[in-house]
Amino acid sequence: QVQLQESGPGLVKPSETLSLTCTVSGGSISSGSYYWSWIRQPPGKGLEWIAYIYYSGSANYNPSLKSRVTMSVDTSKNQFSLKLTSVAAADTAVYYCVRGPHGYGDPFDIWGQGTMVTVSS
Amino acid sequence: DIQMTQSPSSLSASVGDRVTITCRASQNINNCLNWYQQKPGKAPNLLIFAASSLQSGVPSRFSGSGSGTDFTLTISSLQPGDFATYYCQQSCSSPRTFGPGTKVD
Repeated sequence: QVQLQESGPGLVKPSETLSLTCTVSGGSISSGSYYWSWIRQPPGKGLEWIAYIYYSGSANYNPSLKSRVTMSVDTSKNQFSLKLTSVAAADTAVYYCVRGPHGYGDPFDIWGQGTMVTVSS
Repeated sequence: DIQMTQSPSSLSASVGDRVTITCRASQNINNCLNWYQQKPGKAPNLLIFAASSLQSGVPSRFSGSGSGTDFTLTISSLQPGDFATYYCQQSCSSPRTFGPGTKVD
């Protein structure tokens, strides 16, 4: 059974870079069957898709964040990562790593437990 | 971007009630519509994909319908574990977007 686990600092200073890693267990990122995503949720608010990446490294970003976001994948470690630069208080959120989509029209079907990241000096 | 709206934003219901939540897309998304359930402090859980297909392991009291721009999630008989927030999400177009959520309490 595929499981995802986020890791990274829980506190980031304004203007600095937020870096998170997702470790996938129970399945291989490089199987090529899925894209792998990051989704975030500010406290008390709704869900925002950030980006997804394929095992080949091909990524697709939300235009609202594209200038600040980079995703990468490390197939040897079965991990994928998120970097968000120049963070501000508005980037405070729970960050989820998620499996999906599988293809066009497909959902996000397996979610990590989420990690809370607070932007504060 | 495709904008997703949901109604109502919240509703009060009792165990055994039939509950219906509506989701509307700002443009035609065919059947590229998914529903998630989120409980406090937990990650969302996929309930319905492709507008009407039940995710494995999800109770059959959950059902989805609709196509194009208008969609519905129905809980046929609300159970104690169903008190949660429900989100719709379109998967036809990038960026993928979510509705604002409907809280069932």
